[in-house]
Amino acid sequence: GEDVEQSLFLSVREGDSSVINCTYTDSSSTYLYWYKQEPGAGLQLLTYIFSNMDMKQDQRLTVLLNKKDKHLSLRIADTQTGDSAIYFCARDTGGGNKLTFGTGTQLKVEL
Amino acid sequence: DTAVSQTPKYLVTQMGNDKSIKCEQNLGHDTMYWYKQDSKKFLKIMFSYNNKELIINETVPNRFSPKSPDKAHLNLHINSLELGDSAVYFCASSFTQAGEQFFGPGTRLTVL
Repeated sequence: GEDVEQSLFLSVREGDSSVINCTYTDSSSTYLYWYKQEPGAGLQLLTYIFSNMDMKQDQRLTVLLNKKDKHLSLRIADTQTGDSAIYFCARDTGGGNKLTFGTGTQLKVEL
Repeated sequence: DTAVSQTPKYLVTQMGNDKSIKCEQNLGHDTMYWYKQDSKKFLKIMFSYNNKELIINETVPNRFSPKSPDKAHLNLHINSLELGDSAVYFCASSFTQAGEQFFGPGTRLTVL
């Protein structure tokens, strides 16, 4: 399988919380990232977490990192229709500047 | 002003042709990248340049040749295009080799 894996789809109702999960096999990264890709657009960095942290909160976004289980998650509180997009987790390699991306999760927010 | 720009946005061409995609960043960054996103949205790095020097070259066919005339530009030239080259190609840049990467809007390449 891929080094960094995500479930393909997630559907939530507007106002609910969304949780997007990511698992990885190589734990040598310094940082792990969450990117958002809207249709027809490039990738936008949402947030990132240093590998020695367990949690990071940034407004509606909460990142949780479980190093033992090699699991990263992104929680979006009060999900809005504008949050509909593909979300990619990514990790850097030991060298720092090469990003390995997950397979992407398509988030659909329904009214 | 666009931070990382790519031209063209769309490129449709025949198999066997040679084409180039251009990337420019006005952020003063030292490091630039090319990524390929396939039809399943899988995103993979191809190349990385730091101060005009090649530092990452993934297992990409040598039909793909990046060129960095200066720190602000990283162009991608593709020879003898094949059907499998159809994808969206993203350019990105970062201030340092470990910094946040800013992505361009992508170039959708379709090979017929």
